[in-house]
Amino acid sequence: EVQLVESGGDLVQPGRSLGLSCKTSGFIFGDYGVTWVRQAPGKGLEWVSVVRTKRYGGRGDYAASVKGRFSISRDDSKSIVYLQMNSLKTEDTAVYYCVRGARGLDVWGQGTTVTVSS
Amino acid sequence: DVVLTQSPLSLPVTLGQPASISCRSSQSLVDSDGNTYLNWYQQRPGQSPRRLIYQVSKRDSGVPDRFSGSESGTDFTLRISRVEAEDVGDYYCMQATLWPVTFGGGTKVEFK
Repeated sequence: EVQLVESGGDLVQPGRSLGLSCKTSGFIFGDYGVTWVRQAPGKGLEWVSVVRTKRYGGRGDYAASVKGRFSISRDDSKSIVYLQMNSLKTEDTAVYYCVRGARGLDVWGQGTTVTVSS
Repeated sequence: DVVLTQSPLSLPVTLGQPASISCRSSQSLVDSDGNTYLNWYQQRPGQSPRRLIYQVSKRDSGVPDRFSGSESGTDFTLRISRVEAEDVGDYYCMQATLWPVTFGGGTKVEFK
């Protein structure tokens, strides 16, 4: 069974940093890109970042709203994707979902909650 | 960025009756590889999103055949042939042809 399990969500103050992890299983991790999508309370879905496979250079791309503050990486030996979030703002408050794929986005994790508040 | 405009925002439905959701794209979503990367997602209350349809009209495994997707140019439609109780929730279209990936604003399906 394909699974993606997010962790690391927490309550943090504005300007601080937080790291999220996405542990995956049930598929050949190296064959897939992995995407982060977030959902602010009561709002819709927002694409945040993607990390591509090593075949495509393992490159990360970011939404304009987080570029320069967030950094995505992958560890193929552990089948884990990381999202490092710096200089957090109140508007980053959301449930963060880890999703398999760069275009297909077919399997979603259960999400982890990030709350940015003083 | 590609803007996906969903309508209606809210869709009151009746059990056993058909329903449809529209998603209009601001640009063509036909990729250079010939595919159109337009997906539909269902999000039931309190749950993670679940993909129903990919590449416009391909149904995911386990998705009931009452769900179908179609396109006409830059207009995309998700249809439910006969609404069932478990279909209540939010529905989103998403495009991944052009970067960045973008989502429609969502449609809330609820019973009258």
